[in-house]
Amino acid sequence: AQSVTQPDIHITVSEGASLELRCNYSYGATPYLFWYVQSPGQGLQLLLKYFSGDTLVQGIKGFEAEFKRSQSSFNLRKPSVHWSDAAEYFCAVGALDRGSTLGRLYFGRGTQLTVWP
Amino acid sequence: NAGVTQTPKFRVLKTGQSMTLLCAQDMNHEYMYWYRQDPGMGLRLIHYSVGEGTTAKGEVPDGYNVSRLKKQNFLLGLESAAPSQTSVYFCASSYGPYRGSSYEQYFGPGTRLTVT
Repeated sequence: AQSVTQPDIHITVSEGASLELRCNYSYGATPYLFWYVQSPGQGLQLLLKYFSGDTLVQGIKGFEAEFKRSQSSFNLRKPSVHWSDAAEYFCAVGALDRGSTLGRLYFGRGTQLTVWP
Repeated sequence: NAGVTQTPKFRVLKTGQSMTLLCAQDMNHEYMYWYRQDPGMGLRLIHYSVGEGTTAKGEVPDGYNVSRLKKQNFLLGLESAAPSQTSVYFCASSYGPYRGSSYEQYFGPGTRLTVT
């Protein structure tokens, strides 16, 4: 069954430091992978996505993620974090719903990012 | 383009009361979804719709009903609210049924519901 694991519930980094948020997925076929960000009191905004091709994908706000099939991972990175990056980050895998042809997202439980000034 | 909008933004209900949450999208998307978000649980799919007049159950459908009478609107109903339904509810929509595109979802700002 498809699932997404975000091992870190909460991460704290200093402003200007580099960031890596981990995501592991379980899915039998080629996955569609996403990272979403949720600022306090807001909905989810798409940061980046991987469908196929180059395994290093660039997103908005200076984020990037690398798909590693051998490790079933899709980690999110940013070289220098800004205070405005403080938010909750969700990794998701797109997969067919069981017994149907519907494509849907399966979300991880999220990683809360705190940025120290 | 407003994208995905949700009404209301906040609501407090007493146990046993009913209410309807409205989601509207102006992107001509085929697919629409209702999720609930609880601390530490991520987003869980309640119901979804693959087109006007069609709906289906997600992971946590009990206690909820939905309707999609118009392509741009997706309603979530609580017939008899319970404290366990206290949550933040998000609506989303996506293109579909094209390969890959149905997964890229656009989210509304959420409705915070408290059931006392």
